[in-house]
Amino acid sequence: GAGVSQSPRYKVAKRGQDVALRCDPISGHVSLFWYQQALGQGPEFLTYFQNEAQLDKSGLPSDRFFAERPEGSVSTLKIQRTQQEDSAVYLCASSLAPIGWTLQETQYFGPGTRLLVL
Amino acid sequence: GENVEQHPSTLSVQEGDSAVIKCTYSDSASNYFPWYKQELGKGPQLIIDIRSNVGEKKDQRIAVTLNKTAKHFSLHITETQPEDSAVYFCAPRRGATNKLIFGTGTLLAVQP
Repeated sequence: GAGVSQSPRYKVAKRGQDVALRCDPISGHVSLFWYQQALGQGPEFLTYFQNEAQLDKSGLPSDRFFAERPEGSVSTLKIQRTQQEDSAVYLCASSLAPIGWTLQETQYFGPGTRLLVL
Repeated sequence: GENVEQHPSTLSVQEGDSAVIKCTYSDSASNYFPWYKQELGKGPQLIIDIRSNVGEKKDQRIAVTLNKTAKHFSLHITETQPEDSAVYFCAPRRGATNKLIFGTGTLLAVQP
């Protein structure tokens, strides 16, 4: 079946613009994660959804970052008033298991959206 | 918070040689230890994982060993091939959180 897909793959924004990044997880996957990956670094956790509930948003760097998953499938990460330091690859991952399960917990990653803020 | 380090940061080997990457973590509550491979322009892909009740796991040319007492786990790749060239990340996880804490990454280059 299809893997995790993300759109757009590339986004160039002027400083101060709002952007919206979309994630389509694997069908039926309960858990959805957003990560931010700066150039040359490992991904860093942003936020986590279990179905439509946002259970952990401790990694969101500021209140300019907002994520939603209203129907428990597709998710959108929105960044308001973008800054140059927001330039990074934004990765989405999904897993079949809900939080706390020790099986079927593998996270499957999408290709990412590369955001460049000028 | 969790501190995760990988060594070496870069590794160059000849095709057919073995490669070993070590991951050291600080959170003693970590109980799930995956390794991810990331190729240029792609998202990380899980290649092998191990849980805290197991000391070693092998899948064809890839193996992972875990030392919970010393808080480190290692990725072993034997008979390396050029297509193994990528950045490898360890990502230990505490069971209740589900979020992965990625290591600093290791760039593996396999020379033909």
